[in-house]
Amino acid sequence: KQEVTQIPAALSVPEGENLVLNCSFTDSAIYNLQWFRQDPGKGLTSLLLIQSSQREQTSGRLNASLDKSSGRSTLYIAASQPGDSATYLCAVRGGYNKLIFGAGTRLAVHP
Amino acid sequence: DAGVIQSPRHEVTEMGQEVTLRCKPISGHNSLFWYRQTMMRGLELLIYFNNNVPIDDSGMPEDRFSAKMPNASFSTLKIQPSEPRDSAVYFCASTPDRGGVNEQFFGPGTRLTVL
Repeated sequence: KQEVTQIPAALSVPEGENLVLNCSFTDSAIYNLQWFRQDPGKGLTSLLLIQSSQREQTSGRLNASLDKSSGRSTLYIAASQPGDSATYLCAVRGGYNKLIFGAGTRLAVHP
Repeated sequence: DAGVIQSPRHEVTEMGQEVTLRCKPISGHNSLFWYRQTMMRGLELLIYFNNNVPIDDSGMPEDRFSAKMPNASFSTLKIQPSEPRDSAVYFCASTPDRGGVNEQFFGPGTRLTVL
């Protein structure tokens, strides 16, 4: 059974720092991995999707890497801003489009 | 595109009442998912439809929960009778199901409170 773990559970940093959020999964037989952002009381916004054949994806200040063989992904946020404060969720896709989510990392960036 | 649309956004009901949650997927998407999010269990997949047909309902907690997708643009999740432990945020998501690139797009969710 696929299990997804995210570390750390919470993170508080001053503005401007570069951050690394970690995601690990137990079954390497995945189709892709997706990183989401969730603001309090809101839905999920897709940030990046990495196919199983890819090593990384970049969007603006965000970079996500995938090491399928070791069951790990990282989300790198450069030059963090207070507007980046949110919960970040990673999810792996197995068979039948089924997404298995981690518990999330709650990020607070203070001015 | 308006994105995935869910209604109502908030629902407060009393134990034993029937609750119906609604979802309109993104036009052209042929896969639809219902998720539940709680503090204790995080995000869990309840049921998944492909081309209006339920493919995997192993996440549906019990017989009190049922879901339908009568056409490509509408789905419902019904709880009857509702219980306080059903209180959660229920999300609907859709994807175009294009081979391996199946990015899921989420609706804003319905926050359900059962008293």
